[in-house]
Amino acid sequence: AQKITQTQPGMFVQEKEAVTLDCTYDTSDPSYGLFWYKQPSSGEMIFLIYQGSYDQQNATEGRYSLNFQKARKSANLVISASQLGDSAMYFCAMIGGFKTIFGAGTRLFVKA
Amino acid sequence: GAGVSQSPSNKVTEKGKDVELRCDPISGHTALYWYRQRLGQGLEFLIYFQGNSAPDKSGLPSDRFSAERTGESVSTLTIQRTQQEDSAVYLCASSAPFWGQPQHFGDGTRLSIL
Repeated sequence: AQKITQTQPGMFVQEKEAVTLDCTYDTSDPSYGLFWYKQPSSGEMIFLIYQGSYDQQNATEGRYSLNFQKARKSANLVISASQLGDSAMYFCAMIGGFKTIFGAGTRLFVKA
Repeated sequence: GAGVSQSPSNKVTEKGKDVELRCDPISGHTALYWYRQRLGQGLEFLIYFQGNSAPDKSGLPSDRFSAERTGESVSTLTIQRTQQEDSAVYLCASSAPFWGQPQHFGDGTRLSIL
């Protein structure tokens, strides 16, 4: 069965510093994709970054990068140079087969 | 419209009533997804459509839940005989028909069962 685990319910980071949000997954499918989404207090779901299971290089999108360690089944999100507007819930998700599974989320607080 | 549209944005109904939630995906997006998000929790996958076909309905919580889609267009999620535990935000997402394409989410329908 597919499973996504986010072990950090809440994280604090100082503005302008980098932060890593953890995500581990479990699947028996050889082909899968990993996503990170941001959900501000307004409730919208904002796509941040994607990593395919066969991608050789870690994905990057602006200040977001995904530290993909396939053997360890981890797909951590790194946010560089944190901004106050980064304060939100962050969800890791995995798509495989016909399902998309989301983790429980990590709430990030950016301190001024 | 440019994004995924969901209606109604809010729905309050009495326990035992049936409700129908609507999702209008982005034009050209053949894949469509329904999720449930209870307060303070993550997203719970309900069902996925490729075109008008739903290959796996095992995510639907009970037989009170059903979903259908017309072609590659509008989808409806129907909840019969609503219960208080059905109270949640129901989110719809759509994506282009290529592997690895992000799911674009609507603003959701906030359902409250009295």
